[in-house]
Amino acid sequence: SAVISQKPSRDICQRGTSLTIQCQVDSQVTMMFWYRQQPGQSLTLIATANQGSEATYESGFVIDKFPISRPNLTFSTLTVSNMSPEDSSIYLCSVRGQGRPGYTFGSGTRLTVV
Amino acid sequence: AQRVTQPEKLLSVFKGAPVELKCNYSYSGSPELFWYVQYSRQRLQLLLRHISRESIKGFTADLNKGETSFHLKKPFAQEEDSAMYYCALSGGETSGSRLTFGEGTQLTVNP
Repeated sequence: SAVISQKPSRDICQRGTSLTIQCQVDSQVTMMFWYRQQPGQSLTLIATANQGSEATYESGFVIDKFPISRPNLTFSTLTVSNMSPEDSSIYLCSVRGQGRPGYTFGSGTRLTVV
Repeated sequence: AQRVTQPEKLLSVFKGAPVELKCNYSYSGSPELFWYVQYSRQRLQLLLRHISRESIKGFTADLNKGETSFHLKKPFAQEEDSAMYYCALSGGETSGSRLTFGEGTQLTVNP
């Protein structure tokens, strides 16, 4: 299965600033997914990132707040912009592997906004 | 729309007892169902996929289309099974391959 390297693993940020999270995959994948896991809650899909096209955002998430880049088939970034304490969450990237079935997840970025 | 429901947020059993984590889904097409597990301080990892019909770590799950359920079962729970379990559904390419998660069930296996 694909191996995902996600960084940073955690960060504490001031409100009003932005943080960019990176996700590197060891194989080429068509679709990458970005999720948010708020404290004590399940995972919610933010957007789907396809190489060569704009990301597709889920209801409640907008590009201005969560801009995504997908420059090639192995890399993507998610930026959390103009952060507020409500953005404190774990952010995860995920890919669907070509070989082994199922989706693989990064280790997550634990973001705390103060 | 696709939705996954895990009715139990917390489940506590004793070691050696059977355990069943419930999962019900709503999807109009043919879904792919998964169980993911997250052990303390570890990343989310795939436990089971319904198409594989496999048994991992003694866990099994059968897709019941009539009841729209995909319950996770293990006949004899072990302490190391304590973790958060998520049921998830994918509608495949027709739904953009997005994975929808249930709210999760925190399983605690007591000695």
